[in-house]
Amino acid sequence: NAGVMQNPRHLVRRRGQEARLRCSPMKGHSHVYWYRQLPEEGLKFMVYLQKENIIDESGMPKERFSAEFPKEGPSILRIQQVVRGDSAAYFCASSPTSGATYEQYFGPGTRLTVT
Amino acid sequence: AQSVTQPDIHITVSEGASLELRCNYSYGATPYLFWYVQSPGQGLQLLLKYFSGDTLVQGIKGFEAEFKRSQSSFNLRKPSVHWSDAAEYFCAVGNTGTASKLTFGTGTRLQVTL
Repeated sequence: NAGVMQNPRHLVRRRGQEARLRCSPMKGHSHVYWYRQLPEEGLKFMVYLQKENIIDESGMPKERFSAEFPKEGPSILRIQQVVRGDSAAYFCASSPTSGATYEQYFGPGTRLTVT
Repeated sequence: AQSVTQPDIHITVSEGASLELRCNYSYGATPYLFWYVQSPGQGLQLLLKYFSGDTLVQGIKGFEAEFKRSQSSFNLRKPSVHWSDAAEYFCAVGNTGTASKLTFGTGTRLQVTL
């Protein structure tokens, strides 16, 4: 059973461009979480999605950031008009269902560098 | 709001020595607690978790952690550290609400000397 897959692993964007990060959850998992890790910091929750629904986006910046998890295909985290402060590692996690008793399995992350 | 504090940013131990990484949490109800390990350039791997019951929980790679409600702590321990344990360790608390999001501490970087 393949783990959580994220691509690309490394992404370089110039200021003002768009960044699209993809996450394929583990097989059988319908819950996806996105976290951001700034340099020398812990992970910060951004958004929690189920298929075709955003359940909790309390950690998402109000502007430029959006996320989706369509019925078919991977979850996408989109950052429009990137700025240097967006440089970070973005991790996706998935779980088979909701509730903190279910382990979240993390992907290897996408490291975004904004030049 | 829930929060996690890991007071030690960086710890160095000799191979074969014992290890204890500290974690304090703030949460209004019974917490769900986790320890994750992150190797350089990698994702996070779950070491162990506490939901209820026995306050001493065993995890993978010989790690254990003890939940102490009176001290709001969930310290990670290992009796004998191996060089391959060098990594970043994160403590996290999960809520029981719909979101199930995890709140992480800032991490402790473990260095192991030979």
